[in-house]
Amino acid sequence: ELKVEQNPLFLSMQEGKNYTIYCNYSTTSDRLYWYRQDPGKSLESLFVLLSNGAVKQEGRLMASLDTKARLSTLHITAAVHDLSATYFCAEVAGGTSYGKLTFGQGTILTVHP
Amino acid sequence: EPEVTQTPSHQVTQMGQEVILRCVPISNHLYFYWYRQILGQKVEFLVSFYNNEISEKSEIFDDQFSVERPDGSNFTLKIRSTKLEDSAMYFCASRYAGGPNEQFFGPGTRLTVL
Repeated sequence: ELKVEQNPLFLSMQEGKNYTIYCNYSTTSDRLYWYRQDPGKSLESLFVLLSNGAVKQEGRLMASLDTKARLSTLHITAAVHDLSATYFCAEVAGGTSYGKLTFGQGTILTVHP
Repeated sequence: EPEVTQTPSHQVTQMGQEVILRCVPISNHLYFYWYRQILGQKVEFLVSFYNNEISEKSEIFDDQFSVERPDGSNFTLKIRSTKLEDSAMYFCASRYAGGPNEQFFGPGTRLTVL
């Protein structure tokens, strides 16, 4: 059974600070996805990481993937209030899977002034 | 920009009743999915659908659940006899064939079973 574990599950940050969310997964998949969810809303695709060593950046967020360690990170630089949301990582099984995503528990990020 | 749409946004039903949740995937996408999220919990896979048949389903997707693509645009999830524990947000998603499996999610239907 695929397992995807995020930590921390709750993150309270001050504006301007940096922090990293970690995502560990259990299989040898080389595809990892990050989504953002605002309260009561749907999931917005942030990053698609497709190979070992992949790094992608968008604004104050940077995601990376280490398939050997089965670890992805989402780094937040100089946090602002607008980044407050729940962040999910998700992994897709390889082989014959038709793309089923297995999600982590989510990290609830709150950015304070 | 194309997007996945879902109706209704909120459905309230009595336990034991049938509900149908509707989704219109992005028009040139070929893979379709249903996920659910119980309040405050993680997103869980229910079923994937490709080439007019179920390609994969989870343990949650038991005989009370069914999916259908009744025409060229809609994708539906039916729950035959709802239970209290079916209360959740249900998300439809779709993606292109091939490519990086980037799934685009609809806004969700909040199902409340009383």
